[in-house]
Amino acid sequence: EAGVAQSPRYKIIEKRQSVAFWCNPISGHATLYWYQQILGQGPKLLIQFQNNGVVDDSQLPKDRFSAERLKGVDSTLKIQPAKLEDSAVYLCASRQLGRHEQYFGPGTRLTVT
Amino acid sequence: AQSVTQPDIHITVSEGASLELRCNYSYGATPYLFWYVQSPGQGLQLLLKYFSGDTLVQGIKGFEAEFKRSQSSFNLRKPSVHWSDAAEYFCAVAPGYGGSQGNLIFGKGTKLSVKP
Repeated sequence: EAGVAQSPRYKIIEKRQSVAFWCNPISGHATLYWYQQILGQGPKLLIQFQNNGVVDDSQLPKDRFSAERLKGVDSTLKIQPAKLEDSAVYLCASRQLGRHEQYFGPGTRLTVT
Repeated sequence: AQSVTQPDIHITVSEGASLELRCNYSYGATPYLFWYVQSPGQGLQLLLKYFSGDTLVQGIKGFEAEFKRSQSSFNLRKPSVHWSDAAEYFCAVAPGYGGSQGNLIFGKGTKLSVKP
């Protein structure tokens, strides 16, 4: 069974530029999460989808971050414009309905200069 | 608010020695509890989980964890550490039901170094 796929693995941009990350969850997993992991900290939830609907985006900085999962499968997270403090690893995870464990992708390491 | 505390930022153990990583949580009811491991440049891999039942749970790679309700703890243990266990370890809780079901709250992690 294929795991959670993410791309790109690394991205370097200048502040005020925009960037997008892509995630493809494990096949059949209805729930998808995006986390932000700043160096030296644990991951922090940004947004949760169930199928193509948003369940929880209370911690998403909506003035600059957006995410979508239009067909209920893969998802895109966008930052526009980026700030220096957005430098982090962005992790995608998925979960099967009825189960509690989440499975994580390898992450995208973003550096904003 | 729910929280997870991992008191040890960095631990160094000798190869072959035993290991215990501490985790305390703050939550009104018994949460779902997890330990994940993150190797450099990698995502998080699930080591083990506790939902209910037997308070001693076995995971992958020879790890185990014990849930102690009275101490709000879920400590991770391994009887004999291997050099390949060097990584960062995260304890996490998933609080309750409803819309936030399954949303993980992570501790800040404990970095494990292994001496030859």
